[in-house]
Order: sequence, then C-alpha cells, then structure tokens
Amino acid sequence: DAKTTQPNSMESNEEEPVHLPCNHSTISGTDYIHWYRQLPSQGPEYVIHGLTSNVNNRMASLAIAEDRKSSTLILHRATLRDAAVYYCILTGSARQLTFGSGTQLTVLP
Amino acid sequence: KAGVTQTPRYLIKTRGQQVTLSCSPISGHRSVSWYQQTPGQGLQFLFEYFSETQRNKGNFPGRFSGRQFSNSRSEMNVSTLELGDSALYLCASVDRGLFGTGELFFGEGSRLTVL
Repeated sequence: DAKTTQPNSMESNEEEPVHLPCNHSTISGTDYIHWYRQLPSQGPEYVIHGLTSNVNNRMASLAIAEDRKSSTLILHRATLRDAAVYYCILTGSARQLTFGSGTQLTVLP
Repeated sequence: KAGVTQTPRYLIKTRGQQVTLSCSPISGHRSVSWYQQTPGQGLQFLFEYFSETQRNKGNFPGRFSGRQFSNSRSEMNVSTLELGDSALYLCASVDRGLFGTGELFFGEGSRLTVL
C-alpha cells in the first residue's frame, strides 16, 4: 500500500505562511493526494487535493513535486483557527485509504 | 444541507458484547466509509459501502462488519468486543466513490469505550 510520511509536529507564528510537507515515495500514477485536517473533538475536514498539478483554493495551496513523491500543503497566513492535525492521504490504486500519522500544527500568537 | 450524522456519540460496553453504530450521510451521497481512530494506531480505514454494496475493506478482523441501506444510511457492527476496540469511530460520505476526487465529509464520530 502507498504510505505517507509527515513530521509529527510543526510550529508557526500567526499570520505567517506555513509549509507542511508529506513524503509519498511509493505513490502510483493514479493516486490522488488529499489533505484533511482535524480539530480537537471533531471529525477530519477536507482541505485540498490534487493529482499532478499545483492546486489552489480558498483555504490553502498544494504544491506537488514533479516526480509526485512528495507534496507540500501551504497555508498562506496561519491563524489560530488553523491549529489542528493535518493528514496527507493517498487515494486510488490500492483501493484503501491510508492515513499517515499526521502533523500537529501549533500556531503561536 | 445537513452534515453527516453519527449516533450514538458516546457509548460504553463491556468485553464480549457487541455494538452497532449508525451513520446518516449527506443527502445524495451514495458512498459511506468507516474509520477507526485510536491514539496508538491513528486513523485507519475500515470499509466503504456504495449503493448498498461493500466495495473496499481495510485490514480489520471479521468481527467488524457493516451494511448500507437503500437510503444510503449505514451501520457498522463490532461483535465480541475487546478492550482494544475502544476508539473513536468515524464515518464519511462522498457523492461519488471513495477513490475518486470527491471531498469526504466526516461526521463527529462515535466514541466507544470497552470495559
């Protein structure tokens, strides 16, 4: 199964950009890269997804490496409400949804 | 549009009992998937149901089962509960299949404690 590797934790100052990395060296050509985040006592919330090209939406940007073996979620201006566990997930070929351990993002005021 | 609703939110069972959890997806969504979240193992995929058929299954023993009804509501059942089954059980719905490009909408989960 395709696996993802993320740092356990990261810190950012409020209103600064945050770059959350994810390694997925065993990704297959049909796997989509999804990012979700989970706030305390809530279910995960969709952030963004992509296949090959970089993607932008109102919440974040997703930068995908040319070889697709890594990706970076970019929060352009972190706010206190962005403090959460961020999961990088691959969907597609394995017919399973594999979650990494996630990155706990702490935003400092 | 109502979100994904899971019931019950909290429950306590004892070893050897069985439990049934319910998930009502967003209206129009035909795919419901289930996940187990524990501090030690993180989020793990259990299975997906689409149009009343189980389409995909994670690596869990046969004690974990589920079903989906014609209105897309889904239930999961865990039989012969073990202490290690204590977890937050999440369900998510999506309009197309789980392994497409659709956004998953998660419920708030059912927290099961096994004593």
